[in-house]
Amino acid sequence: GDSVTQMEGPVTLSEEAFLTINCTYTATGYPSLFWYVQYPGEGLQLLLKATKADDKGSNKGFEATYRKETTSFHLEKGSVQVSDSAVYFCALSDGGSGYSTLTFGKGTMLLVSP
Amino acid sequence: DARVTQTPRHKVTEMGQEVTMRCQPILGHNTVFWYRQTMMQGLELLAYFRNRAPLDDSGMPKDRFSAEMPDATLATLKIQPSEPRDSAVYFCASGLVMGGRTDTQYFGPGTRLTVL
Repeated sequence: GDSVTQMEGPVTLSEEAFLTINCTYTATGYPSLFWYVQYPGEGLQLLLKATKADDKGSNKGFEATYRKETTSFHLEKGSVQVSDSAVYFCALSDGGSGYSTLTFGKGTMLLVSP
Repeated sequence: DARVTQTPRHKVTEMGQEVTMRCQPILGHNTVFWYRQTMMQGLELLAYFRNRAPLDDSGMPKDRFSAEMPDATLATLKIQPSEPRDSAVYFCASGLVMGGRTDTQYFGPGTRLTVL
């Protein structure tokens, strides 16, 4: 079945450092890919998405490119802020089945210190 | 700014009691999902509905959990009887699915359930 693998955290960075969170996936069809963010005590929020190969999703300085050849969707940000501290989830859609559910990775906690 | 709402935000109950969690999806969305989040298991999909009809509830313990959508503005998740292992954060999410393709799922703030 479909699956998503994320790098384990926590990822600890200083403010203004460069961020990469790796995400790779396994899917039978042509999924859409998502990054969600969860701040402490809140629900998940969509951060960005990409629906086909080579698409780049971007939002709030974060970017991720849909790489079909490497089945990856790595999240990057050039300069992190303390306010970016959160848990980040990579996910893919189960478009092939027609049911359109999301398969999530286990999440990666990011801690940014001043 | 349309949002998914969930009530209650926090619930503490004793083992054996019935728990009902409610969700109001975003108006116009045709799909509602229930998830459970724990440290050990991460996010688990419990059940979901399309146009109020249950599509899959294979993620739920059938003997104690039930999910319904009495109308388009309300989804409920019930646990009866509750057990300590049900302690978790339960999220509702809604989305608009057309042509079998997943659009964004919008999550509510969650219900944090503690069963003593």
